[in-house]
Amino acid sequence: ILNVEQSPQSLHVQEGDSTNFTCSFPSSNFYALHWYRWETAKSPEALFVMTLNGDEKKKGRISATLNTKEGYSYLYIKGSQPEDSATYLCAFPPNDYKLSFGAGTTVTVRA
Amino acid sequence: EPEVTQTPSHQVTQMGQEVILRCVPISNHLYFYWYRQILGQKVEFLVSFYNNEISEKSEIFDDQFSVERPDGSNFTLKIRSTKLEDSAMYFCASSWGGGPFTDTQYFGPGTRLTVL
Repeated sequence: ILNVEQSPQSLHVQEGDSTNFTCSFPSSNFYALHWYRWETAKSPEALFVMTLNGDEKKKGRISATLNTKEGYSYLYIKGSQPEDSATYLCAFPPNDYKLSFGAGTTVTVRA
Repeated sequence: EPEVTQTPSHQVTQMGQEVILRCVPISNHLYFYWYRQILGQKVEFLVSFYNNEISEKSEIFDDQFSVERPDGSNFTLKIRSTKLEDSAMYFCASSWGGGPFTDTQYFGPGTRLTVL
């Protein structure tokens, strides 16, 4: 059983503040790490696919870093806005046919 | 922008009944998946499908479950005799198969299945 863990489970952020949260995954046999953003009643939206140690990817105010040697990835939200409120999921592919998901970090941005 | 669609959005059924959940993947995609999320738990993999056959299935995907691509556009998940514990949000996903592990899977909005 693959252990993909995310912390914290939830967090509340004041509008305009920045925040970050973690995904940890098995460091052996690493191929890629996927990040998704999931708003209630919508489809989970693909954010990033991280592959290289030290990789940093950015999409607007959201960015992610990757450390494959120690088995973690950080997702950062800079200057949080109410529309950033969502559950952020990371997923680790143990093989090329499936994703193993973490439980998610639910972000609530207070106006 | 192309998207994965799923119908119905919510399905209520009686225990022991058969249900079919439907998905229309993105048109040029070659790989298809079903996942589910039981309330309060992680999203979990059920099955992957490529070239008209199952590529991999999880322990959850027992003989009560089956998948089919009946035509060139639909992808279905059938549960033959539903149990209370099958109540969950079921997600369909598709990917085009550009590369193992790094291929982005695109998800539909889910079908909430409630078994009474």
